[in-house]
Amino acid sequence: GDSVTQMEGPVTLSEEAFLTINCTYTATGYPSLFWYVQYPGEGLQLLLKATKADDKGSNKGFEATYRKETTSFHLEKGSVQVSDSAVYFCALSRPFQGAQKLVFGQGTRLTINP
Amino acid sequence: KAGVTQTPRYLIKTRGQQVTLSCSPISGHRSVSWYQQTPGQGLQFLFEYFSETQRNKGNFPGRFSGRQFSNSRSEMNVSTLELGDSALYLCASSEQGEQFFGPGTRLTVL
Repeated sequence: GDSVTQMEGPVTLSEEAFLTINCTYTATGYPSLFWYVQYPGEGLQLLLKATKADDKGSNKGFEATYRKETTSFHLEKGSVQVSDSAVYFCALSRPFQGAQKLVFGQGTRLTINP
Repeated sequence: KAGVTQTPRYLIKTRGQQVTLSCSPISGHRSVSWYQQTPGQGLQFLFEYFSETQRNKGNFPGRFSGRQFSNSRSEMNVSTLELGDSALYLCASSEQGEQFFGPGTRLTVL
């Protein structure tokens, strides 16, 4: 079945450091790929998405490119801030008969120190 | 537009009891999905309802059930609670694609 594997955390960085969180997936066909972020005590917020190969999703300085050849969707940010501290989830969706079911990775906890 | 709301936000139950959680989707959204989040298993899909019909179902025992009303509000029910049911239960609503999540209901089973 479909699955998502992402970099194990926790990840601790200093402010203004470069961030990469790796994500690879296993799925037949052409899934849509997502990064969600979860701040303490809150639900999930969509950070960015890509729906086809070579698409680049971007938002709030974060970027991820849909790489079909390596089945990857790595999250990057050039200069992180303390406010980026959260748990990040990579996910995929393969619409089935119109249904939207997200398959998530295990999540990566990111802590940014000032 | 108001976001997805879930009630209650926190719940404490004992083993063997049953519980009902509620989710109100974003106005106009007809699809509601439920997910369970635990430290050990991560985020797992429970089921999805669309226009009052269950459209998709995850791999959970029959103790987990749900329904959707004509106004798209959804409830999920867990019967005969077990300690392992302690989790954050997230609801998401969508209309043609992107899912918007509520803040979740934190269920603790003692």
